[in-house]
Amino acid sequence: GAVVSQHPSRVICKSGTSVKIECRSLDFQATTMFWYRQFPKQSLMLMATSNEGSKATYEQGVEKDKFLINHASLTLSTLTVTSAHPEDSSFYICSASPAGLAGGDTQYFGPGTRLTVL
Amino acid sequence: DQQVKQNSPSLSVQEGRISILNCDYTNSMFDYFLWYKKYPAEGPTFLISISSIKDKNEDGRFTVFLNKSAKHLSLHIVPSQPGDSAVYFCAASANAGGTSYGKLTFGQGTILTVHP
Repeated sequence: GAVVSQHPSRVICKSGTSVKIECRSLDFQATTMFWYRQFPKQSLMLMATSNEGSKATYEQGVEKDKFLINHASLTLSTLTVTSAHPEDSSFYICSASPAGLAGGDTQYFGPGTRLTVL
Repeated sequence: DQQVKQNSPSLSVQEGRISILNCDYTNSMFDYFLWYKKYPAEGPTFLISISSIKDKNEDGRFTVFLNKSAKHLSLHIVPSQPGDSAVYFCAASANAGGTSYGKLTFGQGTILTVHP
């Protein structure tokens, strides 16, 4: 149980294009999903909290116009990297909590998406 | 400002011995702590968690200890197995309500290598 999938697993795109990454909770409903970014040999950094049916909450320093998040249903959240540049190349990981916003609940992570911008 | 710190970048242990991974935090509002295991190019896998009302939680070979006064937690793996080799992250969350509800802050990770 508590499986989270991400698609695609890897994507290579040209600078200036937009890339959409999907995050799905396969066997549970998640009112809240989280998007993280990980640079090589570094920790996971929270980018934003995605709430179903409402606007995402972005962490300080994360450009909301560049990283568009949509949480259209209880099982799907999407992250769109708009006008991607080489510095956006990274490993993007989503997570979901079966109990939604309850503080301290365990988050289950997707397998991640490796984005490479040429 | 690194609120969750794992000061040991790596740890090497012999198979069958105990692995002890350490984590320190600075934010006194943190009240829930988790350990995750991660392989390269994969998402973290949940291992074990502990609430601040406890000082120990055990699950099979994995035990997490929490010392609130020292703002320190540790993960013990015994006996260690080669399959345990991975990066281990500790994470913390604050039950403060509002936008911090459920949000995890991660440490930098510790690479554990278990030798046969």
